[in-house]
Amino acid sequence: SYVLTQPPSVSLAPGQTAKITCGGNIIGSKSVHWYQQKSGQAPVLVVYNDNDRPSGIPERFSGSNSGNTATLTISRVEAGDEADYYCQVWDSSSEHVVFGGGTKVTVL
Amino acid sequence: QVELQESGPGLVKPSQTLSLTCTVSGASTSSGGYYWSWIRQYPGKGLEWIGYISYSGKTYYNSSLKSRLSISTDTSKNQFSLRLNSVTAADTAVYYCARAAVVAAAHNWFDLWGQGTLVTVSS
Repeated sequence: SYVLTQPPSVSLAPGQTAKITCGGNIIGSKSVHWYQQKSGQAPVLVVYNDNDRPSGIPERFSGSNSGNTATLTISRVEAGDEADYYCQVWDSSSEHVVFGGGTKVTVL
Repeated sequence: QVELQESGPGLVKPSQTLSLTCTVSGASTSSGGYYWSWIRQYPGKGLEWIGYISYSGKTYYNSSLKSRLSISTDTSKNQFSLRLNSVTAADTAVYYCARAAVVAAAHNWFDLWGQGTLVTVSS
């Protein structure tokens, strides 16, 4: 089965840039989506199709995808960005949705 | 404004059937372009896709749950449902219903989520 690997945690100061990686075998050939989940809340889509943003999501959130790594970039991090972030793909060989294990972003 | 709301028992006994319903408001479960989904999250853990049902009724299930799982829709009530048989404590989780936007088979993402409901399996 297809596996997505994310770092467990990322810590940074306000104003810095967070880069959250999502590793998978030739993930660059897949469409990657990212979700933000704040404590006690349901996940919210922040990036879809590698680098598109839903309406209402700030431009500070962007994505890229190439080779074996997809990346969610959060520019000028704010305290309100503190959350768990999950990547997701569709694995066509198994016909399964696959989520990464999640990355906890802490704003110091 | 489209909203999803889960409902169902918060406590289920081991070996029994977990049944949840998601009521959709502001959109139709029979309209094209969307799949209706169930996702769960173990306490303090990551997300696990359970399965979804397309607007035409085709189902896609997580193979690890397939033998115990059924997802269906009731278009007259604009609802879709989850049934998971023979539950154990390992099925204790927050269960989310979600809408998956589908452009093509390989391009689907969850653009709308319910608030989630905690289901505990315990005697």
